[in-house]
Amino acid sequence: EAGVAQSPRYKIIEKRQSVAFWCNPISGHATLYWYQQILGQGPKLLIQFQNNGVVDDSQLPKDRFSAERLKGVDSTLKIQPAKLEDSAVYLCASSLGAANEKLFFGSGTQLSVL
Amino acid sequence: GNSVTQMEGPVTLSEEAFLTINCTYTATGYPSLFWYVQYPGEGLQLLLKATKADDKGSNKGFEATYRKETTSFHLEKGSVQVSDSAVYFCALTLSGGGADGLTFGKGTHLIIQP
Repeated sequence: EAGVAQSPRYKIIEKRQSVAFWCNPISGHATLYWYQQILGQGPKLLIQFQNNGVVDDSQLPKDRFSAERLKGVDSTLKIQPAKLEDSAVYLCASSLGAANEKLFFGSGTQLSVL
Repeated sequence: GNSVTQMEGPVTLSEEAFLTINCTYTATGYPSLFWYVQYPGEGLQLLLKATKADDKGSNKGFEATYRKETTSFHLEKGSVQVSDSAVYFCALTLSGGGADGLTFGKGTHLIIQP
């Protein structure tokens, strides 16, 4: 079974530039999450989708971060403009959708903002 | 708000030693509790979970018991191996209304020496 796919694997940009990350969840998984993991910390939830609708984006910095999940499958997360403190690993995860269901994580995109 | 507190790392042990990684939580309701593990170079993966008080989750020789009275979910293993070297994350989720994103602790880096 294919896992959660993310790209790119690494990205280096300068502050004030924009960047986008892509995620392809496991086929059939209705729920998709984006997490931000800053070095030395645990992952922090940014946004949760159920199919193509947003369930929770309470911790998403909406002045610079945006995310979409068209057709309820692939998702993109965008940062515009980036700040130094956005340097982190951005993780995508998916699940079948039931509460307490096991989450499957991708390998993440490591972002460095210079 | 909801939060998870884990013991600071790194934790360094010799092979075959007994392992305990402490985890306590604060939650506004009755959470489900998880341990996730991240092996070097790999993505996060579920190790074990417990969904109600006094439940014991177990997998790969690891165990954790959901203790409501002490709001704890300590991870234990009787005899660790070099291959257990990884970062371990305690996490919780509160299901209800569809928003069930995980709240993670900061992670505990475990190093097992031969």
